[in-house]
Amino acid sequence: GAGVSQSPSNKVTEKGKDVELRCDPISGHTALYWYRQRLGQGLEFLIYFQGNSAPDKSGLPSDRFSAERTGESVSTLTIQRTQQEDSAVYLCASRPTGGTGELFFGEGSRLTVL
Amino acid sequence: SQQGEEDPQALSIQEGENATMNCSYKTSINNLQWYRQNSGRGLVHLILIRSNEREKHSGRLRVTLDTSKKSSSLLITASRAADTASYFCATSGNAGKSTFGDGTTLTVKP
Repeated sequence: GAGVSQSPSNKVTEKGKDVELRCDPISGHTALYWYRQRLGQGLEFLIYFQGNSAPDKSGLPSDRFSAERTGESVSTLTIQRTQQEDSAVYLCASRPTGGTGELFFGEGSRLTVL
Repeated sequence: SQQGEEDPQALSIQEGENATMNCSYKTSINNLQWYRQNSGRGLVHLILIRSNEREKHSGRLRVTLDTSKKSSSLLITASRAADTASYFCATSGNAGKSTFGDGTTLTVKP
């Protein structure tokens, strides 16, 4: 596709359930990032994939959060046993190797945990 | 803690006025970028300045970088109501990770 695609755009779930959020980066972009943005706040770094290197998971807030990436394509962010504090918009971005450094963002997945 | 911190947190101006936002960061960087976010949307890249640059222009945008003070400013000249949005700075180091600040919310009144 032309841009970064995220799904679902909105997800409402009950506390304790697991959720999966998907990100399709721009084709050929080797770097992929996940961020969390709580209402009215800035972007909180979660995880960064770069090609075949080990991902930088330093931003994952707890072991309930995990992310996978298949090669240089789709990534899935999984939140297990969701809590109300997990309610936020989860943003995905991708970047090409050797590019200007600009990140290309998706529109985000809004998660609401009841 | 966030690498980049913007100030002010909120800024309200009249159309036609200039808007200045500042960003401070803590560690060494390769480049600093500014992004814009309209309400409920993803972020859009505005401009990038490398660590060896001091000033950069793009249309009505002017960015400065002072690596000795670990700070940057974004100036939007002749603002328009359509400039109303949140603005974020992001820093990138050798590891490639980009870290964002909490943003400045700009309101431009027509």
